[in-house]
Amino acid sequence: SYELTQPPSVSVSPGQTARITCSGETLSKKYGYWYQQKPGQAPLMVIYKDSQRPSEIPERFSGSGSGTTVTLTITGVQAEDEADYYCQSTDISGSPHMVLGGGTKLTVL
Amino acid sequence: QVQLQESGPGLVKPSETLSLSCTVSGAPIDSISYYWGWVRQAPGKGLEWIGNIYYNGNTYSSPSLKSRVTMSIDTSKKEFSLMLNSVTAADTAVYYCVRSKRDYDANGYYYWFDPWGRGSLVTVSS
Repeated sequence: SYELTQPPSVSVSPGQTARITCSGETLSKKYGYWYQQKPGQAPLMVIYKDSQRPSEIPERFSGSGSGTTVTLTITGVQAEDEADYYCQSTDISGSPHMVLGGGTKLTVL
Repeated sequence: QVQLQESGPGLVKPSETLSLSCTVSGAPIDSISYYWGWVRQAPGKGLEWIGNIYYNGNTYSSPSLKSRVTMSIDTSKKEFSLMLNSVTAADTAVYYCVRSKRDYDANGYYYWFDPWGRGSLVTVSS
């Protein structure tokens, strides 16, 4: 099975830029996806296919991918962005085995 | 708009079997582009993928849970189900049902979760 590694926590002040990384072998061949989870809520996808943003997600959220790492960037962080963020990808074989990162707690100071 | 709704007991005794169902509305359950699955989250912990099931009954499970997981699907009822046997306190979690969407490009198939159900808390306790 494959693993995705994220930093446990990231802290930024309001208005600054937050970057959360996710690394894993499967990302060399498969896309990365990002989900935001606020307390008591189900996760919500904020980035798909490495860098695409759903229409309902604010423009300050962006994503990128290179090699075995994908990065979620939040430019001009707002207090409401404080949440847990999870990356997700797929087994490199192409079978529907999902791989999830351990999650990163974003704290807005 | 696709909606998923989990249902099932909120309390299960240790060593017994956890059973949950998920009802799908707003989308066909027998589409070739979707898998249907389960993700859980223990209190204060991260997300853990449990498994996916296709409309034809093919299943794919996390290696760590595969020996205890059974999934089924009833396309006529637009419902899919999870059974997890021999539960312990470590299986206490919020269980989410999810739709896994599938797409394809030069690098093969890839999948993502969209949408998620609201989640159902299952506590394992005597």
